[in-house]
Amino acid sequence: DTGVSQDPRHKITKRGQNVTFRCDPISEHNRLYWYRQTLGQGPEFLTYFQNEAQLEKSRLLSDRFSAERPKGSFSTLEIQRTEQGDSAMYLCASSFDRGSHNEQFFGPGTRLTVL
Amino acid sequence: AQSVAQPEDQVNVAEGNPLTVKCTYSVSGNPYLFWYVQYPNRGLQFLLKYITGDNLVKGSYGFEAEFNKSQTSFHLKKPSALVSDSALYFCAVRDRRDSNYQLIWGAGTKLIIKP
Repeated sequence: DTGVSQDPRHKITKRGQNVTFRCDPISEHNRLYWYRQTLGQGPEFLTYFQNEAQLEKSRLLSDRFSAERPKGSFSTLEIQRTEQGDSAMYLCASSFDRGSHNEQFFGPGTRLTVL
Repeated sequence: AQSVAQPEDQVNVAEGNPLTVKCTYSVSGNPYLFWYVQYPNRGLQFLLKYITGDNLVKGSYGFEAEFNKSQTSFHLKKPSALVSDSALYFCAVRDRRDSNYQLIWGAGTKLIIKP
């Protein structure tokens, strides 16, 4: 078990460019979550998947954001036409779907800087 | 509205002294309660959780937390602080009735342990 991994760890892009992040959850976890975290704040929920189904999206997730989990394993988060306000740490987490008391396991995050 | 409050932005403790990081919540019913820790440039790591039963929960790295239903609190404690405990600590809660298993996060408390 190598834990949750995210790639890349850092991304610097120019405003208006598209970026894509990848998350590989713990292999036996069927729930996968995306969060955004800005400096000095707690994580903000963006969206989550149960297997390949995207079950909920936050209002924070504008139409420039899209997430996929095509085979119920890894997931991608794409941001189109990036804006400076998108600069943040993007966190991925996964968990078992065996009860709502199960904790989420987080990846190291992808830090996005939009110039 | 459901919310989590961590009233202290920062807590300073001398090494070897006991530490407390406070968390109060406003969630209907009996929530599940979690503490996570975040080291610089790292993802969140699960510390401990309260599900039911004994109000004192023991977790990783010698941390424990006390659930107080009447005060709707879940304070994190450690009898003897280490310099390596310096990090950002987040309290999170989940409504047991939420089928989406969403976590509600506090804003975080920066813990500084001085030698």
